[in-house]
Amino acid sequence: DTEVTQTPKHLVMGMTNKKSLKCEQHMGHRAMYWYKQKAKKPPELMFVYSYEKLSINESVPSRFSPECPNSSLLNLHLHALQPEDSALYLCASSQGRRGKSPLHFGNGTRLTVT
Amino acid sequence: DAKTTQPNSMESNEEEPVHLPCNHSTISGTDYIHWYRQLPSQGPEYVIHGLTSNVNNRMASLAIAEDRKSSTLILHRATLRDAAVYYCIQEGNQGGKLIFGQGTELSVKP
Repeated sequence: DTEVTQTPKHLVMGMTNKKSLKCEQHMGHRAMYWYKQKAKKPPELMFVYSYEKLSINESVPSRFSPECPNSSLLNLHLHALQPEDSALYLCASSQGRRGKSPLHFGNGTRLTVT
Repeated sequence: DAKTTQPNSMESNEEEPVHLPCNHSTISGTDYIHWYRQLPSQGPEYVIHGLTSNVNNRMASLAIAEDRKSSTLILHRATLRDAAVYYCIQEGNQGGKLIFGQGTELSVKP
């Protein structure tokens, strides 16, 4: 079990669907992250939230829309995805202090776009 | 973005030490070096990090070269549960921006 909980564990969606991925942590962390990981590849950073504000967007297409309703929750809203967006989506959190705050990862949501 | 280079794969025998190398030739004086590992079907897990000095914790040791252009993660006695992909990451001035390298897949033989 990890301290970062992601739901759902698996998601299958069509290209016209709208869905959301959820991430929750109760460690009091102030920074939260979304990464995308394709099979046999390293995780790729998508977004970083710091104190509930978006601080980094790695030029992610607008069909991915992050939201941080409060310091414990992070959502990723999905709309009009493509099959190539199928991947493992990882959420992480940290205390947000550079060089002093390890990232704690969830086990991810495995997304399949049909 | 800062890039690190690692061997694609390494093999080790159980209960023997493992030295996992990483090159980070573009590192600046204030960049941290982080190591994470990812076991099959799990999210990455923090292993260790450092700036200039060698670091030890319960999981591993981190040896950083004097010129800081390379580092080595040391697992003192490999177990079968240490089989994973190990990622070396260079954290620059933009805090929170941890960009994963390609990683080294470590296999451990009984």
